[in-house]
Amino acid sequence: TQLLEQSPQFLSIQEGENLTVYCNSSSVFSSLQWYRQEPGEGPVLLVTVVTGGEVKKLKRLTFQFGDARKDSSLHITAAQPGDTGLYLCAGVNNQGGKLIFGQGTELSVKP
Amino acid sequence: SAVISQKPSRDICQRGTSLTIQCQVDSQVTMMFWYRQQPGQSLTLIATANQGSEATYESGFVIDKFPISRPNLTFSTLTVSNMSPEDSSIYLCSVRTGEQYFGPGTRLTVT
Repeated sequence: TQLLEQSPQFLSIQEGENLTVYCNSSSVFSSLQWYRQEPGEGPVLLVTVVTGGEVKKLKRLTFQFGDARKDSSLHITAAQPGDTGLYLCAGVNNQGGKLIFGQGTELSVKP
Repeated sequence: SAVISQKPSRDICQRGTSLTIQCQVDSQVTMMFWYRQQPGQSLTLIATANQGSEATYESGFVIDKFPISRPNLTFSTLTVSNMSPEDSSIYLCSVRTGEQYFGPGTRLTVT
């Protein structure tokens, strides 16, 4: 069974601080996705990383896929209150392309 | 892209009753998915519903408890049968058209 361990589970920071969320597994994934979910809504895809070692940037968000395609990180620079939400990583498994979700990181950015 | 709507958005139901959740997509899609998101937890795939065939259920989920219909390429229903408080969750419909898109979810509380 493929599992994704996401940490931290909760994060409360002040506006302007930096943060990193980690997503780790003992399994290899064909790709890894990061989603953001706001209350009362479904998850929205932020990025997909496919190649080992790949780094993608989305404004103040930087996503990295580990060289072995088993882990990923999301780094937010100078967090804003609008970044508040649930961040989910999801690995795409090699068989059937199913999404395996991590536990999620509940981020709160205080003004 | 795909825009997904779900009905109802929330419901409070009594133990032992059943609830049918509807999922409508604004375009024709082959693969539709149903997920469960329990309070404070991540998303778990219940089943994959393809039009014209029986739904494929994940380990731990059975058709008698979660019957699914997929009458056409834009619509699906998930029924939560003989509900218990442990079924209290957010139920999410999802489709894959290149990217994966999620509906806003149905928040179910069983008393």
